[in-house]
Amino acid sequence: AAGVIQSPRHLIKEKRETATLKCYPIPRHDTVYWYQQGPGQDPQFLISFYEKMQSDKGSIPDRFSAQQFSDYHSELNMSSLELGDSALYFCASSVQGAPEQYFGPGTRLTVT
Amino acid sequence: QQQVKQSPQSLIVQKGGISIINCAYENTAFDYFPWYQQFPGKGPALLIAIRPDVSEKKEGRFTISFNKSAKQFSLHIMDSQPGDSATYFCAATDRGSTLGRLYFGRGTQLTVWP
Repeated sequence: AAGVIQSPRHLIKEKRETATLKCYPIPRHDTVYWYQQGPGQDPQFLISFYEKMQSDKGSIPDRFSAQQFSDYHSELNMSSLELGDSALYFCASSVQGAPEQYFGPGTRLTVT
Repeated sequence: QQQVKQSPQSLIVQKGGISIINCAYENTAFDYFPWYQQFPGKGPALLIAIRPDVSEKKEGRFTISFNKSAKQFSLHIMDSQPGDSATYFCAATDRGSTLGRLYFGRGTQLTVWP
């Protein structure tokens, strides 16, 4: 079965640079969620989208922005990167109205 | 503030034994409680989930027990195997108000010895 696709899988950036993470949901899934997981931490919700509209917002820094496109894929844009942004970033997808969220393999972002 | 409290932080079980992980919550609006399994460097994988109108749900070797009045739920892994060694996260969500945002527990690192 098709799963959530995230790219890139690994990303190394320097402080103050920008990064763009991409997420392709499971086919026919219309809702996308972004989570950040620090080392040894639980995933923390950042933001979600349904039908290209932001549906919920969590502890996402103002330096980060995201959007969902007409094909339902989503991009997380991160600017002015800080050392503390180093983490695993997961995208999850679901069908609106269904509670099950399926996670992608994640993007490991390292900021040096 | 952690919306879902999970224990223990780590668990070591002999092969063939029962692994039990517990979670507690305060928000009575939560109406969906999934468990996720995560291997190092991988994304969380949905394992099993329960809604509050059911007290128990079983799928293979995995069982969720749910106590609505105590606001607690637990994962039981029967006949634990070395391949079950992973980090397990409980989670909860209120589908009505937060549109599916998952609140995770801090995770339990399970090690099953052969």
